[in-house]
Amino acid sequence: GDSVTQMEGPVTLSEEAFLTINCTYTATGYPSLFWYVQYPGEGLQLLLKATKADDKGSNKGFEATYRKETTSFHLEKGSVQVSDSAVYFCALKDGNNRLAFGKGNQVVVIP
Amino acid sequence: GAGVSQTPSNKVTEKGKYVELRCDPISGHTALYWYRQSLGQGPEFLIYFQGTGAADDSGLPNDRFFAVRPEGSVSTLKIQRTERGDSAMYLCASSSLGQGGETQYFGPGTRLLVL
Repeated sequence: GDSVTQMEGPVTLSEEAFLTINCTYTATGYPSLFWYVQYPGEGLQLLLKATKADDKGSNKGFEATYRKETTSFHLEKGSVQVSDSAVYFCALKDGNNRLAFGKGNQVVVIP
Repeated sequence: GAGVSQTPSNKVTEKGKYVELRCDPISGHTALYWYRQSLGQGPEFLIYFQGTGAADDSGLPNDRFFAVRPEGSVSTLKIQRTERGDSAMYLCASSSLGQGGETQYFGPGTRLLVL
């Protein structure tokens, strides 16, 4: 079935550093792609999305581009803040409206 | 406006007991989804309702799990004869149509602990 793979392990970086979280997917059709974020003690929130190839989703300084040729949807932010510390999940929505999530990456931003 | 709400926020029960978890979707959302999230993992799909009917229940792990949405709004996830392995965060989401790229909005979840 359709699936999402995120890079292994937590990410620790200093404030104002550049953040990249890798996400690749396997799908039989043309899924929509999402990044969700879970801040400490809070529920899952949509961060950004892209519904077709070459679309770029953006929000709060984060960006991700739907790359069909590399089946990827990497998340980037040019200058992180302490308030960006959270768990980030990549997900795809298949033709049956189910979301398939990656395992998530914990991001810790140190002042 | 109000988001997705779930009750209770925490539930502790004993092995073998029956539990019900409730989800109130965003008003007007016709699609409702249940997911289960184990510690350190991403959410996993359980079941999807479009209106009152279960459009896809392929993610339910076994016949101890059942969900209903009798009036097309509130949904209840029911777990019979709970087992310790059922301990997880149960998440509910809703969306406007369930077609194309519509966003699923998540509730805060119910953390279930089976002792």
